[in-house]
Amino acid sequence: DVKVTQSSRYLVKRTGEKVFLECVQDMDHENMFWYRQDPGLGLRLIYFSYDVKMKEKGDIPEGYSVSREKKERFSLILESASTNQTSMYLCASSFGLNEQFFGPGTRLTVL
Amino acid sequence: AQSVTQPDIHITVSEGASLELRCNYSYGATPYLFWYVQSPGQGLQLLLKYFSGDTLVQGIKGFEAEFKRSQSSFNLRKPSVHWSDAAEYFCAVGSGGYQKVTFGTGTKLQVIP
Repeated sequence: DVKVTQSSRYLVKRTGEKVFLECVQDMDHENMFWYRQDPGLGLRLIYFSYDVKMKEKGDIPEGYSVSREKKERFSLILESASTNQTSMYLCASSFGLNEQFFGPGTRLTVL
Repeated sequence: AQSVTQPDIHITVSEGASLELRCNYSYGATPYLFWYVQSPGQGLQLLLKYFSGDTLVQGIKGFEAEFKRSQSSFNLRKPSVHWSDAAEYFCAVGSGGYQKVTFGTGTKLQVIP
């Protein structure tokens, strides 16, 4: 079975801090994605990557950056966290045009 | 641009009753369509998908969905709901290329005894 793991389930940070969210998948998937999930807004795509060192902006990339140095790992970076980035963050991976497999999510609170 | 509408934010059904969750999409070409379920505190799990072929697709946990091109719909159904089906359900549409997927806003299902 595909497994997507995220480094933390819950995270509390202060405004202005640099925040790293890590995601690792174990099935050699080429595509990886970062979403944020907010009540009433569903999932919104922040960034995705289709290969090592390749990245594409999603629908809401402002305030975020990403890094993919190895195929199995995709990191989301909040350069200077703000309170409006308090959210649930979901990582996913996929192979080709197939379905995405999701991690359990990281609930980030920025104080 | 592709989009998905789930008109029902919250639905309550009795255990054993039938269920239909609505999903309408907007996409110029033949879409890739998905239904995912999210239990509280969990990530999303795929219930079923449609890429081509038979417009009635079967999924896990007794769910099915029907693709209707003329109505731009992909409604999810289950003949008899179980208490464990209480969760949030997301419809999604994918395009080609790197499979960018657009999700609906979700429908939260409550099951009452």
